[in-house]
Formats: sequence, structure tokens, C-alpha cells
Amino acid sequence: QVQLVQSGAEVKKPGASVKVSCKASGYSFTSYYIHWVRQAPGQGLEWMGIINPSNGGTTYAQKFQGRVTVTRDTSATAVSMDLSNLTSEDTAVYYCARSSVATSLYGMDVWGQGTTVTVSS
Amino acid sequence: DIQLTQSPSFLSASVGDRVTITCRASQDISSYLAWYQQKPGRAPKLLIYAASTLQSGVPSRFSGSGSGTEFTLTISSLQPEDFSTYYCQHFHTYGTFGGGTKVEIK
Repeated sequence: QVQLVQSGAEVKKPGASVKVSCKASGYSFTSYYIHWVRQAPGQGLEWMGIINPSNGGTTYAQKFQGRVTVTRDTSATAVSMDLSNLTSEDTAVYYCARSSVATSLYGMDVWGQGTTVTVSS
Repeated sequence: DIQLTQSPSFLSASVGDRVTITCRASQDISSYLAWYQQKPGRAPKLLIYAASTLQSGVPSRFSGSGSGTEFTLTISSLQPEDFSTYYCQHFHTYGTFGGGTKVEIK
């Protein structure tokens, strides 16, 4: 079945980096963008960035420019999100989600289960 | 950048009530709007895309309408499993979400 499976929870110290992975299966990997969305405790959803698995092209929210890097491994049908220089404000659940490359009208129809990242000294 | 403003941010309602949530865009986004439901500890679930198209498997009591800058999500008869938080979302080059509407039991 179509699914996105994310890596496990992480605990990091301030100033460190974290890498969260998202493994896609059950569909054509290059036909769907992968978005990264995060949710701080008790807060709403925040869009971080996107990758086109077909060509590796990325777009990041201005807030995260210079601190986030999203990459893909087409042979493994996986996407990774690296976030550097962590602070306590980066404590959140991080989700990957897919949307069609053909059109953004269709929304994000499949989501990963979420990865909790805790930043604490 | 496009901003999405949802209202209300909190809504108290009873089973069987008709509920309407509004999402306003800071500029014309045509029909490029989706709605999601999120329950505590779970990933968001797509309900509506292209402003008014029901995602497969979503109950018909959910409906979406609007275009341009004003959109609504309506639940025609609220069921116990509908008590959740709802978000609108737009993507075109950059993505953005509304602030969310929490629907609680009166």
C-alpha cells in the first residue's frame, strides 16, 4: 500500500543537527513532491520545504533558509531532511507528506507517521 | 507570501450541529486550497482538495466551497468522531497553513 515511513524519535542538544528520513513505498516515487511540515507542542502546522524527487529541486520556507537541507535517494525511494543549529524552539513533531507533481490542486494526500525531535540541554 | 487566516480558532458544538469554518487568503489563490483534519497525536488527514472536492473515503457530511480569497469547510451534522482540529492549506511554490480551528464538544 501507499505509505511514507519516517525514522524514529531523536533527542538533540542545542547547536546540534538532526536528520529525519522518510521512506516512500507503493507508488511512483518521482511523480510526487515530498513536503516537510512540523508541529511544535500545542501549536499549528508549519510548512518547512519541499523536494521534487524527479530532479532533486528544493524550495524552503524563508524562515528555514540556510538551516534546512532536503535530499533524496531515488534508488532507496527515500527523502531526508537535515536541520542544523537546533534550539529549543525546534522541538516539534516533523512530518513528511506527498503531493502530486502534476498539480498542487490535489493537496497532501499521504503523510508519514511523524518524528518527534526534542532539543534539550 | 500568501497568508491564510482561519476563523474561528475555537468552536464549541454539539453532536448533530451544522458547523462552518472559514479560511481567508491574503491574495487570490483560485481553487488551490485543501482542508485537513487532525486528531491529537496523529498526522493530518486530507479531507477536501481543490477547494471543494471530497477526498476518497471522506464522509459526505464534509463539504468545501469558495474560490479566490474566501473558503469554507462545512460539516453538515457533527458526529462524535469529528471533534478534532481542522486546517486549511495552500501550496504554490511555497506552502502555508491556516492557524487551525479546534472543534470541541459543547
